[in-house]
Amino acid sequence: DIQLTQSPSFLSAFVGDRVTITCRASQGISSSLAWYQQKPGKAPKLLIYAASTLQSGVPSRFSGSGSGTEFTLTISSLQPEDFATYYCQQLNSSPPYTFGQGTKLEIK
Amino acid sequence: QITLKESGPTLVKPTQTLTLTCTFSGFSLTTRGVGVGWIRQPPGKALECLALVYWDDDKHFSPSLKNRLTITKDTSKNQVVLTMTNMDPVDTATYSCAHILYHGRNPRGFDYWGQGTLVTVSS
Repeated sequence: DIQLTQSPSFLSAFVGDRVTITCRASQGISSSLAWYQQKPGKAPKLLIYAASTLQSGVPSRFSGSGSGTEFTLTISSLQPEDFATYYCQQLNSSPPYTFGQGTKLEIK
Repeated sequence: QITLKESGPTLVKPTQTLTLTCTFSGFSLTTRGVGVGWIRQPPGKALECLALVYWDDDKHFSPSLKNRLTITKDTSKNQVVLTMTNMDPVDTATYSCAHILYHGRNPRGFDYWGQGTLVTVSS
């Protein structure tokens, strides 16, 4: 099975900061990676698919990059509504498709 | 507009079988490239993808749970049913269903989700 490791697990930042979350896969997954945002008590929201394609309606301050085994999610200028938990998910190997352990982004 | 909604028991006893139904609208599970998956999340923990069924009835299960899971689709009712046998307190989680669509050779991800249903396993 492909394992995903996110770093950091916790991140504290100010409104307006630029933040980057990393997701590393235990083996190459080409560009088959998605990023989600989850707020407490809510379903996850798909932000990015195919590593770098922004889902419709997602603000352009979110961006994704990477291929193979290393991927990043970047928020260019944090807004108050961005404080949430972020998950990566690989969609390359035979499903079901594994998620990372999550990165909790908190306001400083 | 795509919507999904989970239904089923909120409390099950250890060793019992859990049956959850996902009722959806706004898409058809007969359309090429479309799938529905079940994902769970224990309180305070990460997401875990349990099972998926695609438009062509291709089914996939979490390797660690495959012996306990069944997934079926009823295209006439727009429903997907998940059953999980031999429930244990560690299976306490919010169970959600979600829509997935192929993008080229691989799926995009789960782009529409139900609200989720908390299932507690306790005697």
